[in-house]
Amino acid sequence: QSALTQPPSASGSPGQSVSISCTGTSSDLGGYNYVSWYQQHPGKAPKLIIYEVSKRPSGVPDRFSGSKSGNTASLTVSGLQTEDEADYYCCSYAGSNKYVFGSGTKVTVL
Amino acid sequence: QVQLVQSGTEVRKPGASVKVSCKTSGYTFINYVVTWVRQAPGQGLEWMGWISAYNGNTNYAQKFQGRVTMTTDTSTTTAYMELRSLTSDDTAIYYCARVDGYNLDWFDPWGQGTLVTVSS
Repeated sequence: QSALTQPPSASGSPGQSVSISCTGTSSDLGGYNYVSWYQQHPGKAPKLIIYEVSKRPSGVPDRFSGSKSGNTASLTVSGLQTEDEADYYCCSYAGSNKYVFGSGTKVTVL
Repeated sequence: QVQLVQSGTEVRKPGASVKVSCKTSGYTFINYVVTWVRQAPGQGLEWMGWISAYNGNTNYAQKFQGRVTMTTDTSTTTAYMELRSLTSDDTAIYYCARVDGYNLDWFDPWGQGTLVTVSS
């Protein structure tokens, strides 16, 4: 099972928006609406920020939004804040009770 | 609140085994699945497998089949992950997380991670 493809990096100035793509195949991401996104600050455990493509857990700011089209999912962070600087990983159900993560994207707030 | 607290740092020699624990609290243990994810230094997240705390059913990533065993102890609401025949490529932080959702499709919350170093 190959990792989902994410851009290595993305950046934006405070207040701007940044979008991160996550590309898979019809056997994983494209075949199910079970895409989740995780934020990971340096030295910390990952934190769930989006589940089932576009749903936000309680406590996650509405600046974070998710979407999916075909084999590609996207995470958008609107109104960038300095605390949004982190690594972001997508994850998809891949059938047969298995999962696959994306390669990760480092978001830098300029 | 829901918490997963993992055991401490481990150092092993190549060829050895390691067993990492994940003590859970704040929810009904047997109602959920626990998954394990690892992260090599400077690398991304890698899904290893999961175990049902209800019936002990497991599902492992093909890469780890035959080398990993996940278990649970319902009396102590603790999940375990044992990895055998370690090599330097197994040096990583190992995380446990609760699997949530009707379709078991997201991981939340996560344990703090356990660093496993494999070195001669």
